Amino acid sequence: DSGVTQTPKHLITATGQRVTLRCSPRSGDLSVYWYQQSLDQGLQFLIQYYNGEERAKGNILERFSAQQFPDLHSELNLSSLELGDSALYFCASSVSGVGKLFFGSGTQLSVL
Amino acid sequence: KNEVEQSPQNLTAQEGEFITINCSYSVGISALHWLQQHPGGGIVSLFMLSSGKKKHGRLIATINIQEKHSSLHITASHPRDSAVYICAVETQGGSEKLVFGKGMKLTVNP
Repeated sequence: DSGVTQTPKHLITATGQRVTLRCSPRSGDLSVYWYQQSLDQGLQFLIQYYNGEERAKGNILERFSAQQFPDLHSELNLSSLELGDSALYFCASSVSGVGKLFFGSGTQLSVL
Repeated sequence: KNEVEQSPQNLTAQEGEFITINCSYSVGISALHWLQQHPGGGIVSLFMLSSGKKKHGRLIATINIQEKHSSLHITASHPRDSAVYICAVETQGGSEKLVFGKGMKLTVNP
C-alpha cells in the first residue's frame, strides 16, 4: 500500500459528460501529480500541485482542470468527455519536488 | 524520436536468468526514475537516481550521465518479476515534469 488513495477505481460515463477524480496523498506529502496512461500514448504527465498551488503543467487539455485543497487532497475534473479520454488516470505524491513518487492505484475511465 | 527510449520492448526469460533493461534519453536530466507496473495496473517506484548505482534486493540500477543511458538489472529473476518496467526522466531547467519511456514488458516463466 503506497498510502495514496484514489477514488473511484472505475468510472464509466458517456461522451459529453463531466467527471471528477479524487486523490488523497500520503500523509505529509505536499506535492500531488496527475498522469494519464493510454494504450497508444503511454504515461503522460498532466499537472502538478504543491501545497495548494499549481507548480507545473504538462499535456493537459483545456477541458481538464485540477485543484489541490487546503487538506492537500486533489481533484481532477474532466469535462466534455470524448471517447479518446478513456484511459487510466494516476495520481502520485511526494514530499516536496519530484523525489521518490508514491502512486495511487489509478482510476480507470471508460467513455462510451 | 521520443526523448526517452527503452529497449527491448518485450522480453521473455526463464526463472533464474539475469535480466537487463535499457533506457536511453536525449535530453539533459536532473534525475531518472525506474518504475514497475504490475498486470493489475498499480505503479511502484523502484529507484530514483542521478548518478552511479543503486541496489535494492535483487534489483540494481545504474546510470551513465555522459552517455545518457541507464540500465535496470534483475538478478535471479522470478515469475513475480513479470511486469512492465518504465523509465522516466526529470528534465533539467527546474521542470518537475516527468517524461516517460514506453515501458518494457517482462515475462518470467517458471
